Amino acid sequence: KQEVTQIPAALSVPEGENLVLNCSFTDSAIYNLQWFRQDPGKGLTSLLLIQSSQREQTSGRLNASLDKSSGRSTLYIAASQPGDSATYLCAVRYGGATNKLIFGTGTLLAVQP
Amino acid sequence: GAVVSQHPSWVICKSGTSVKIECRSLDFQATTMFWYRQFPKQSLMLMATSNEGSKATYEQGVEKDKFLINHASLTLSTLTVTSAHPEDSSFYICSARVRGGTKGNTEAFFGQGTRLTVV
Repeated sequence: KQEVTQIPAALSVPEGENLVLNCSFTDSAIYNLQWFRQDPGKGLTSLLLIQSSQREQTSGRLNASLDKSSGRSTLYIAASQPGDSATYLCAVRYGGATNKLIFGTGTLLAVQP
Repeated sequence: GAVVSQHPSWVICKSGTSVKIECRSLDFQATTMFWYRQFPKQSLMLMATSNEGSKATYEQGVEKDKFLINHASLTLSTLTVTSAHPEDSSFYICSARVRGGTKGNTEAFFGQGTRLTVV
């Protein structure tokens, strides 16, 4: 069964701290992996997309890495800000007829001012 | 990036009535759209995959007669919750994939979500 797990489930850090969010997936035959941000009661905002052939992607203070062989991805947030507070979701795309995204369980991040 | 618009953003309906949710890709053509459901403090669960001009593919455990999906054009998919009950209250989100490109390598874009409350 294709499952995606995120650790930790919740995280609270003081402003300015660097932090790492973890995502693991059971089936390593992925097409790509995507990190999203979700604010309370809102939809999803795409942060980074890593293709299966890539090792990492960077956007501003965000850096995502991918290790297919071990079934892991990390999202690194540098110099965290209160505005970064949200739920972060990773999602893995597998092949097959529907080419669907399997979502992780999410990490609720709170950055304290 | 590509924009996906979902309407309405929230809706309250009486038990037994039907509710239609629209998902539009505003600046691109979407061959495939996905419908997700999210319960409070839980992740997104895929309900069905909608392909333009054909019947939707439903995930195991999702009632196709209750959750009617229509994908009549390359920019519009609709989800109709029929005979809604309080247990159908949830956050529904659609996603669209850009038409073209290498299959599997295209980015997914999401709508703003619809909060459905059935009373």
